[in-house]
Formats: sequence, C-alpha cells, structure tokens
Amino acid sequence: GQNIDQPTEMTATEGAIVQINCTYQTSGFNGLFWYQQHAGEAPTFLSYNVLDGLEEKGRFSSFLSRSKGYSYLLLKELQMKDSASYLCAVSRIKAAGNKLTFGGGTRVLVKP
Amino acid sequence: GAVVSQHPSRVICKSGTSVKIECRSLDFQATTMFWYRQFPKKSLMLMATSNEGSKATYEQGVEKDKFLINHASLTLSTLTVTSAHPEDSSFYICSARERRMGLAGVHEQYFGPGTRLTVT
Repeated sequence: GQNIDQPTEMTATEGAIVQINCTYQTSGFNGLFWYQQHAGEAPTFLSYNVLDGLEEKGRFSSFLSRSKGYSYLLLKELQMKDSASYLCAVSRIKAAGNKLTFGGGTRVLVKP
Repeated sequence: GAVVSQHPSRVICKSGTSVKIECRSLDFQATTMFWYRQFPKKSLMLMATSNEGSKATYEQGVEKDKFLINHASLTLSTLTVTSAHPEDSSFYICSARERRMGLAGVHEQYFGPGTRLTVT
C-alpha cells in the first residue's frame, strides 16, 4: 500500500513564508507532484520533483528527498489568494499506470 | 494549452436515476483519463483509470456496475452513475494525460473543473 501524510491545516500571515511537508511510503516511485486547489475547483499543477533537490518557480519552491520519502512545498511572500488546499501526490511507475495517489491535503489560511 | 472540460458542472438528480458526466480534452489527445471523487474537505480518491478503446480499470472498493466508464475516443470519457443514491453525492473530477510527455518530462495530468452531483 501507500501512505502519504501531510498536515491538515496551517495558518500564516500575508507576506510571510509557509512550508508544507509531505512524507510518503510507496513502491515504484516515479515522481511527486504538488497541486493547489481552491474550494469547489479542480486542482492546478504547481510543481513536479523526481530527482532529489530543490525546484524553484517564482514564489513557490518544492524539495524532494527520495531516500527519506520526504518533500516540502515552500510558499514565499504569501498573498491572500494563496489561501487554498495544497495536495501532495505521488506517481508510481508505468507498470502501475503512472497513477497519482493523493495525500489528504493541507488547508492553508493566509491572514492579513 | 492542455484544457480539460467537464459537463455538467452541477447536477441534481432524484434517487434511483442515472447521471452521465462527460470529460473532454479540448486541445490535446488523451490516451488515459482518470476519474476521482472528492468529499468535502477531503482529498481526491481515484475511482478508475480509463484507457481509450479498452475497459476501465477500477480501484479496489469501487463498483464497476454502478460507475460505468466509457472512453470512446482520444478526447472523451464519460462516467455514468447508475441508480444514484444520496451517498453518491460528491464532487467528481476527471483528469486527462497527454499522449506525449509534458514539459515536466513526465506524464502530467490535467484536471477538469469538476462536477458537483447532488442526489435527493
């Protein structure tokens, strides 16, 4: 089976930085995705990591350590519109259909 | 690019009736489409994987006779909820994977906007 864990909720102040951690246990690891989802809307792609290290994209960065089964999403210079759920999803090898398994999501609330 | 649409966006139906939800990839060919279900404040749960021209693969615990999936073309997959009950009320989201690898060098999934189903 697979286990993907991330915190349920986080609160931060506008302009600050928040780090959302995700730990996973899976066989046939083929990459980790981060998605943003606003209430009632579909998830939108934020980042993808398959090799160890940090991927930076503007205000958002994602880190992966395959040996530790650990990833984090870093949101900098928080804006009110960043209030959303952030979903960590693990992709498994082609034999498993490159399916995505999602963590429970982390609701981030940005306060003024 | 990489737009996925779903229709309808919202549907209310009576118990015992069937509802069909369409998922279309608008500007790319999708060899594989996925159907997810999401309960309020919960994450996405994969229901089934739909490959063009073949039978869908259902996840454990998902009733294939209740959730009928058809993937007749490279741009369209449908999910039919048969004999709907109030417990089937949920947010249903589809995603589509391009025939070729995306910019991330992996098979990215593009999500549709979701369909809110309410069974009364």
